[in-house]
Amino acid sequence: KNEVEQSPQNLTAQEGEFITINCSYSVGISALHWLQQHPGGGIVSLFMLSSGKKKHGRLIATINIQEKHSSLHITASHPRDSAVYICAVPDGGATNKLIFGTGTLLAVQP
Amino acid sequence: EPEVTQTPSHQVTQMGQEVILRCVPISNHLYFYWYRQILGQKVEFLVSFYNNEISEKSEIFDDQFSVERPDGSNFTLKIRSTKLEDSAMYFCASSLQQASNTEAFFGQGTRLTVV
Repeated sequence: KNEVEQSPQNLTAQEGEFITINCSYSVGISALHWLQQHPGGGIVSLFMLSSGKKKHGRLIATINIQEKHSSLHITASHPRDSAVYICAVPDGGATNKLIFGTGTLLAVQP
Repeated sequence: EPEVTQTPSHQVTQMGQEVILRCVPISNHLYFYWYRQILGQKVEFLVSFYNNEISEKSEIFDDQFSVERPDGSNFTLKIRSTKLEDSAMYFCASSLQQASNTEAFFGQGTRLTVV
């Protein structure tokens, strides 16, 4: 069973700062998901990546399959980036359901 | 952009009552999931559904839970006799394929409060 760990659990940043959230997992995977959960509770998919790096606006996700590690970076952070960021990996079983990390609660202060 | 929609957004129910949570997955998707998140905890898997039957379920998904795809568009989760510990955010998700590198799309969730 895949174990997913995220760090830090909580992160407070000043507007404009560069932010890094880390995710590690225990069993090799073919793809990893980064998700965003806003205070209202809804989940939005940010990235799915299986190698290298992906960029979308100010968000960058990287993955190192050999190290079983992924990072989510936010450049020029803004208060609207405040949310919970969750990484999730497929469990590799019959249905490839997702196994979720505990999430990182990010608060960006103006 | 296509999206997964869930209704209601918030449901309050008395303990012991039945609730039905509704989801409309993305129209051409074939694989459907329910997850839940108890306040302050991780999101956890409940059940997956494909080809009109359950393909996998977790230990949480006991006889009090059932899922249905009654009309080819809706995907419902029923809890027959709610308990206080069923209070959680319930998320529906769908994907086009079952492959591990297929993106999953999530609904906005239904916040269930059992009193």
